[in-house]
Amino acid sequence: NAGVTQTPKFQVLKTGQSMTLQCAQDMNHEYMSWYRQDPGMGLRLIHYSVGAGITDQGEVPNGYNVSRSTTEDFPLRLLSAAPSQTSVYFCASSYGRTGYRNTIYFGEGSWLTVV
Amino acid sequence: QKEVEQDPGPLSVPEGAIVSLNCTYSNSAFQYFMWYRQYSRKGPELLMYTYSSGNKEDGRFTAQVDKSSKYISLFIRDSQPSDSATYLCALILTGGGNKLTFGTGTQLKVEL
Repeated sequence: NAGVTQTPKFQVLKTGQSMTLQCAQDMNHEYMSWYRQDPGMGLRLIHYSVGAGITDQGEVPNGYNVSRSTTEDFPLRLLSAAPSQTSVYFCASSYGRTGYRNTIYFGEGSWLTVV
Repeated sequence: QKEVEQDPGPLSVPEGAIVSLNCTYSNSAFQYFMWYRQYSRKGPELLMYTYSSGNKEDGRFTAQVDKSSKYISLFIRDSQPSDSATYLCALILTGGGNKLTFGTGTQLKVEL
């Protein structure tokens, strides 16, 4: 059981380049989401999905696209990278609706630097 | 003003000390309250999860929620060097699905 797997772990991009951060989970979770973590800001929600084919924006969605074609995968696309997108990105997943003991699992993170 | 405020620390304590970590929040619609632990260069892992005012204990950890004061706390008893990490409070709004609103995290170091 791998849990939530993120790739790549580290990436350096040039301004204007595009790339995709991959996220996969093997727990048959409905909910998946992407957060970014910046110093002094905590983790902030970028996009989330409540199931295959359904996505919505979080707090900081600009500059990012997502799609959910399968239950297992939730890739995050940077369309035209900017230095402001230098951050640590975390993917998370959980079962259905919020409830007691509904654990939200996080991946190990992807460190992205845009130069 | 941020929805969730958390003292960033760093907080340094001797081994065996009782540690108190706190968050305050402004929106009374927050219904679920969690504490995550994050080691350096790792993802957050869930420590405690509660939804009601009062205390919840799990081993050396106690989570406390006071909805009337909009204040949540995590207490760590008999702290160990392995507890050295960043502790994040995370809250979910009523009807908010699984969307977490995080505090900025408190960095804790437990010294021998």
